[in-house]
Amino acid sequence: DAMVIQNPRYQVTQFGKPVTLSCSQTLNHNVMYWYQQKSSQAPKLLFHYYDKDFNNEADTPDNFQSRRPNTSFCFLDIRSPGLGDAAMYLCATSRDAGAAGELFFGEGSRLTVL
Amino acid sequence: GQNIDQPTEMTATEGAIVQINCTYQTSGFNGLFWYQQHAGEAPTFLSYNVLDGLEEKGRFSSFLSRSKGYSYLLLKELQMKDSASYLCASMDSNYQLIWGAGTKLIIKP
Repeated sequence: DAMVIQNPRYQVTQFGKPVTLSCSQTLNHNVMYWYQQKSSQAPKLLFHYYDKDFNNEADTPDNFQSRRPNTSFCFLDIRSPGLGDAAMYLCATSRDAGAAGELFFGEGSRLTVL
Repeated sequence: GQNIDQPTEMTATEGAIVQINCTYQTSGFNGLFWYQQHAGEAPTFLSYNVLDGLEEKGRFSSFLSRSKGYSYLLLKELQMKDSASYLCASMDSNYQLIWGAGTKLIIKP
């Protein structure tokens, strides 16, 4: 089945120790997104790519970086995680910009910062 | 500013009907979306409205009134597996989704 796969599902890190979260998709969708979601809160968009065009949300901290080396893969790098970065990180895709409301999510990567 | 309002939590009984309301204020409008999110899982797409009126999809229906900036999600014949959070999201003029914090729906036997 075509899908969005995130790894790892659970990540525990030390304060300040870098982490990388990965996302792959077999849907052949043009657009990929990274969201941060904390408990009982709305998902917060961090980055999105229209094909290779990178879009950084204005309020995304510099501590967060992203890479999309090819159509199928996307990475989220957290350079120096703080306690406030503990959250669920969701990768999503959409077919194209015009279908940006119908998102296909991966299962998420839950980050714990000790 | 852009804003989505929906109740924090609702409780309903198995087999009953529940309506989850959402009001939105966004810069421009390109559609209203509902997602279901079970605890600890990712959201899954439920419905999309861009024109006024009711869209029915099995036990779930979604309604939109653009003039009132209002939508609701109607769930019929509630089942225990419908216990989840339901997120309302409006798409603005830049095709960005503006998300609500979600309504946690608790189903009791």
